Amino acid sequence: EIVLTQSPGTVSLSPGERATLSCRASQRVAGNYLAWYQQKPGQAPSLLIYEASFRATGIPDRFSGSGSGTDFTLTISRLEPEDFAVYYCQQYGGSPLTFGGGTKVDVK
Amino acid sequence: EVQLVESGGGLVQPGGSLRLSCVVSGFIFSDHYMDWVRQAPGKGLEWVARSKNKANSYTTEYTASVKGRFTISRDDSKNSLYLHMSSLTTEDTAVYYCARAADYGDFFDFWGQGTLVAVSS
Repeated sequence: EIVLTQSPGTVSLSPGERATLSCRASQRVAGNYLAWYQQKPGQAPSLLIYEASFRATGIPDRFSGSGSGTDFTLTISRLEPEDFAVYYCQQYGGSPLTFGGGTKVDVK
Repeated sequence: EVQLVESGGGLVQPGGSLRLSCVVSGFIFSDHYMDWVRQAPGKGLEWVARSKNKANSYTTEYTASVKGRFTISRDDSKNSLYLHMSSLTTEDTAVYYCARAADYGDFFDFWGQGTLVAVSS
């Protein structure tokens, strides 16, 4: 099983700042098959990024994904008020599908 | 518009059973792999089970902790996905989400709003 470790657990930032979230895999993720999701309180997760760097439909370009192999990054270039949420990575290059523990982006 | 609506959650005693349902609309259900993902209170996401589509013989897969206790099934004629859960423990307490696997990869492009299963005496 591929274990995904997200860091930091929580990051406190101000609107307009840049957020850099890390997702590290315990072994290489085949095909760079890694997705990122955003979850707001009381809501289901929603897809942001797939295959490490492809934005899902309707996702603004301030969200970008990068990385390969075992190290992946989600960057939010300038935080908007609606971006304060929890972010999860998920790998689908191996079985079973696994998620990281999440990074909470909260308001400084 | 794609919609996934779960139902069937509730309070159940340890050792009990429950069946969750997910009714979908807005896409061709029979074409897609469908999954259940859960989230324990205050915790992260955990993939639970998968039902592949007809083209892949409706093959099912489970996370290790629910094998032998949970059964995923689907009825394409009713655009519905199910999760039958038995021998429930307190560790199964979570919000259960129905999720659609994307056409081009095993990630989830649409999610339901979730249904809460609470296992407690």
